[in-house]
Amino acid sequence: NAGVMQNPRHLVRRRGQEARLRCSPMKGHSHVYWYRQLPEEGLKFMVYLQKENIIDESGMPKERFSAEFPKEGPSILRIQQVVRGDSAAYFCASSPGQGIQGQFFGPGTRLTVL
Amino acid sequence: DAKTTQPPSMDCAEGRAANLPCNHSTISGNEYVYWYRQIHSQGPQYIIHGLKNNETNEMASLIITEDRKSSTLILPHATLRDTAVYYCGEIGSGGSNYKLTFGKGTLLTVNP
Repeated sequence: NAGVMQNPRHLVRRRGQEARLRCSPMKGHSHVYWYRQLPEEGLKFMVYLQKENIIDESGMPKERFSAEFPKEGPSILRIQQVVRGDSAAYFCASSPGQGIQGQFFGPGTRLTVL
Repeated sequence: DAKTTQPPSMDCAEGRAANLPCNHSTISGNEYVYWYRQIHSQGPQYIIHGLKNNETNEMASLIITEDRKSSTLILPHATLRDTAVYYCGEIGSGGSNYKLTFGKGTLLTVNP
C-alpha cells in the first residue's frame, strides 16, 4: 500500500515563475492537507481539502496561492509569481477522515526560488 | 504561531531513555497534546497524543502534568534511528481538529 506521494521532490524556480506541487494521497484517503515549513521554522497549516472541495484555507496566503483536489487525479498546490520568500518545504498529508491521528505525511517538495 | 516551547536540542546515549519536555502555557481544556517527529529530509511522523491521562504505545510514552501545562515524551530505549527533530503541539477537539501547528522542536541526537 503506497504512502502519500509528492512530486517533484525538489523544484527550482526563478522569481515570477509558477510552481505546481502535486500530492497523491494514500489509497482510500479522501482528505488532504498542505503544510509549509520555512527554513529553521516549524510546520504551519495551509489548507485542508476533500474531493472537489476546499474545507479550510485559512493558513494559505490570499494572493498567488491556490489549491485544488479534483475528482480525478492528485491534489495540486499552485504558487503563481513566486518570490524568494516562498522557498520552503511543502508537505502534503492525507487521512481517511477528519482528525490528526490518521494524518500521514508525504516526503515533501522542497521549493527553491532563485 | 506556535504556543508551545521546547528546548532546541538534547543528547541521549543509545539504549537509555530519552525524555523530551514541552511547555503548553496557553493550552485550553479541550485541546489535545500531540507529538510528531521529523527525521532529516522526511515528512513528519505521528508519535502519540493525549488529553489528560498518560498514554503509551509501541513508539513512546506521553506524560501530561495534572495542570496540563507541560508534557514529556519518553522514548524508553533510544536507538540511533531515533535521532530526529521532535515537535510537540496542541489541537482542539472541535471543528478544527485537523490543524497541526508546530514550533521549532527539539533536535534529539542519540549517541552511540
